Amino acid sequence: DTAVSQTPKYLVTQMGNDKSIKCEQNLGHDTMYWYKQDSKKFLKIMFSYNNKELIINETVPNRFSPKSPDKAHLNLHINSLELGDSAVYFCASSLLQKNTEAFFGQGTRLTVV
Amino acid sequence: ELKVEQNPLFLSMQEGKNYTIYCNYSTTSDRLYWYRQDPGKSLESLFVLLSNGAVKQEGRLMASLDTKARLSTLHITAAVHDLSATYFCAVDITRLAFGKGNQVVVIP
Repeated sequence: DTAVSQTPKYLVTQMGNDKSIKCEQNLGHDTMYWYKQDSKKFLKIMFSYNNKELIINETVPNRFSPKSPDKAHLNLHINSLELGDSAVYFCASSLLQKNTEAFFGQGTRLTVV
Repeated sequence: ELKVEQNPLFLSMQEGKNYTIYCNYSTTSDRLYWYRQDPGKSLESLFVLLSNGAVKQEGRLMASLDTKARLSTLHITAAVHDLSATYFCAVDITRLAFGKGNQVVVIP
């Protein structure tokens, strides 16, 4: 059983389109994250949700909108895709109050053409 | 702003030799995480360091944390090819701020 799963794994789309990436975790964690990894492998946090509430919203264009329908899911919707959005997007989850690590999904490679 | 710096960003290692990579961070944190990433893959947790002086070892890798110096080290003993990867450190579980990674290549 996959602990943190993202779909799709690959996403190729044209500029201007709207797309969504889904993430689900079955670890019973209360906190979920979205990260963007660029071509230089730099990992930057985009959003963090704790118990469905947004706790971190970094400087991200408002074309990116996260949605957490419940503690086990955190989806990322992107409007009006741009070339610069091409990257690998990772979802992760953790137990905020426990001294354990965050677990990462397999990543979604988004290519905007 | 929390900053996490790793160095060296790229390290070529000879098999059988010992090396250390470094992670510095800018604000107080008593939790530090090391991850490994293979090309095209996700991040795999290696170590969770929770207090000053914490030391953890797994195989040829040993990680330590000095919270007063805001420094963590990852020591590689007798490097082997399988350790070729990018190693990331991260601090603060609320936002998990990552460094830029140490890209390690182990050559025969």
